[in-house]
Amino acid sequence: EPEVTQTPSHQVTQMGQEVILRCVPISNHLYFYWYRQILGQKVEFLVSFYNNEISEKSEIFDDQFSVERPDGSNFTLKIRSTKLEDSAMYFCASSERTKQYFGPGTRLTVT
Amino acid sequence: SQQGEEDPQALSIQEGENATMNCSYKTSINNLQWYRQNSGRGLVHLILIRSNEREKHSGRLRVTLDTSKKSSSLLITASRAADTASYFCATEGISSGSARQLTFGSGTQLTVLP
Repeated sequence: EPEVTQTPSHQVTQMGQEVILRCVPISNHLYFYWYRQILGQKVEFLVSFYNNEISEKSEIFDDQFSVERPDGSNFTLKIRSTKLEDSAMYFCASSERTKQYFGPGTRLTVT
Repeated sequence: SQQGEEDPQALSIQEGENATMNCSYKTSINNLQWYRQNSGRGLVHLILIRSNEREKHSGRLRVTLDTSKKSSSLLITASRAADTASYFCATEGISSGSARQLTFGSGTQLTVLP
C-alpha cells in the first residue's frame, strides 16, 4: 500500500535556526497537510494545501512557518527561526478526498 | 470539554475482551475518523464515518455516530495484545475550504494484557 514518507525522522537544532521538514505524499493525492504533536498533548492542525496554495491554516501557523511544494513529489514545512516551544512531532498527511494518510513523523528537538 | 474528547483516558483489559472508547465533539461535522498511534509512531487511519451514517463496521472494529448527541464510540471486539496503542477520534468540520483540517481529541490509551 502506498505510504506517506517523511525525512528526517529526528532533527535536532539550536534555537533561532531554520529547519526544513520534508514529506513525500502519496503520488495521486491532491491535498496535503501538516500537523504537530507536542509530547503528551493532542495532535494539532497546522496547515492544509491544495492546488499549490494554502487552503486553511491554524493560529499556530504564524509568519515563522511556511510550506512549499517545490516539485511534483515533495511537500516541505519550513520554520524560519525555531523556538524551544517548537519541539514536537511533526506529521505530514495527504488525501485524495477525505481520508487522510499520515506519515511516520519527524521529531524536532530545539535546544 | 473540547472538540473531540475521548473517554476513558486510559483503558486496560484482558486479551479477548471487548474495548469501547467514546468521543464527544462540539461543532457540526462532515465526518468523524478514528486513528491509532503506537507509542512514538505515526497515526494509522482505522475507520471513517460520515455525518449521515449511524454505524460502520470494519473487521473487528465497530463505530457508531450519534450526531444529535455529538458523540461517537469505537468498539474493538476480541482484543489482542497487538491492539495496545493510543486511539484518537478526529472530526472534519464543515468548512468552505477545499482541504479540510482534522481536529483531534486527546486520545484513549488502550492496554491489552496477554
